[in-house]
Amino acid sequence: GEDVEQSLFLSVREGDSSVINCTYTDSSSTYLYWYKQEPGAGLQLLTYIFSNMDMKQDQRLTVLLNKKDKHLSLRIADTQTGDSAIYFCAEGMDSSYKLIFGSGTRLLVRP
Amino acid sequence: ETGVTQTPRHLVMGMTNKKSLKCEQHLGHNAMYWYKQSAKKPLELMFVYNFKEQTENNSVPSRFSPECPNSSHLFLHLHTLQPEDSALYLCASSQAMGADEPQHFGDGTRLSIL
Repeated sequence: GEDVEQSLFLSVREGDSSVINCTYTDSSSTYLYWYKQEPGAGLQLLTYIFSNMDMKQDQRLTVLLNKKDKHLSLRIADTQTGDSAIYFCAEGMDSSYKLIFGSGTRLLVRP
Repeated sequence: ETGVTQTPRHLVMGMTNKKSLKCEQHLGHNAMYWYKQSAKKPLELMFVYNFKEQTENNSVPSRFSPECPNSSHLFLHLHTLQPEDSALYLCASSQAMGADEPQHFGDGTRLSIL
């Protein structure tokens, strides 16, 4: 079945690294996305990774994909207060245009 | 994200009212989507349009009626809604339909049903 799971909450200190984790159940997932949602706003596409990749880096963001364990992570280096938001991972499969979203991880960055 | 614009941002309506949500995308995309975001639930896909043709109706009650006059505009017509319909309604678009096509979201309309 299709299921994407994330921990609900993460709290870090400003300047530290944040690691947000996501697990998915469908091994045929081929595209995995990270979105950020700030209060009162929609989902902002942060980055995405194809299943033939293990890692993708984009400035302060690093995405790691472990296909064997069906585990995806988003690392934010030098976390800032402006990074406080809800982060959603989503999986997509070649066989479908639908994205399956997790319930989101709320990141709180403490000064 | 200014590529996808939704209006109004907030809407309060009674259960007997009729209102419409509007979405406009300026990205030249061909696929548009309506999602419902409720508290403590994953994002729910409601409708999908590709080149103005509806390709998905995810068992959505008939009190929600979508309209896509062209590839840039998407409407959600609302009538006789229920309190459980209170939620954030998000519009998204993508270049084409496909899991490899990132979806870009608007800021949503916060709907409250009295």
